[in-house]
Amino acid sequence: SAVISQKPSRDICQRGTSLTIQCQVDSQVTMMFWYRQQPGQSLTLIATANQGSEATYESGFVIDKFPISRPNLTFSTLTVSNMSPEDSSIYLCSVERGRTHYGYTFGSGTRLTVV
Amino acid sequence: AQTVTQSQPEMSVQEAETVTLSCTYDTSESDYYLFWYKQPPSRQMILVIRQEAYKQQNATENRFSVNFQKAAKSFSLKISDSQLGDAAMYFCAYRRGGAQKLVFGQGTRLTINP
Repeated sequence: SAVISQKPSRDICQRGTSLTIQCQVDSQVTMMFWYRQQPGQSLTLIATANQGSEATYESGFVIDKFPISRPNLTFSTLTVSNMSPEDSSIYLCSVERGRTHYGYTFGSGTRLTVV
Repeated sequence: AQTVTQSQPEMSVQEAETVTLSCTYDTSESDYYLFWYKQPPSRQMILVIRQEAYKQQNATENRFSVNFQKAAKSFSLKISDSQLGDAAMYFCAYRRGGAQKLVFGQGTRLTINP
C-alpha cells in the first residue's frame, strides 16, 4: 500500500495567519482526501482532491477557508486560512490503499495549535 | 445519510484478556464496506481489519476478529490476548460501495491494564 509523508508534523500559529500542510505519496493516486480531527473527536472529511480539477468540499467546509492544491498525482496541499483558535485540530491526508475497497492509508497528521 | 455509532467512549481490559468494542451503523445500501482503525498516541491511523458487506464470513486478522451482523447493522471488534501495544483510540468506519468517502464513528479509547 501507499506510503504518505505529511508535514509539518505540528505547528503553533498566530490567529489570522495561514498554514499550508503538504502530503507526498510514494505512488500515483487518483484521489487524495483531507480530514480534520478536532480535539478528542472523530475524523471529519474536509474535501476530496482530484488531480487537475477543483477539490470537492463537504458540507460545512469552504474553499476560501481551506484551499487545496493537487498539482500532480503524488502531491497535495491543504491551507488553513485566517486561522482562529477553533481551527486547532489534527489534519490528516489519506489515499486509497493499492486495491479498491481495501481501506485507506493515512498520513501521520499535522497537529495545529492556534494561539 | 449514513451514520456510525460507537456507544463506548472508553473501555479497559487486563493484559492477555479479551475485549469487544461495539459499533453500529445505519444505511439503506446493500453494497458497503466496514473498517476498524486504530489511532495510537502517535496519531497514525492504522487499518486493523475490514469487512465486505456481501461476505457472511467474519473477517479475522491474527488476534483481531469481527462479529458482523448485517441484519442488525452491527460490526463489533474482538481483540484477543490483549497486549499493551493495543492501547489506542479505535474508530469504526463505513464506506458505501462505489463511493470514496469514509464515515467514522466517535471512537472508543481502549486502555490495557498490565
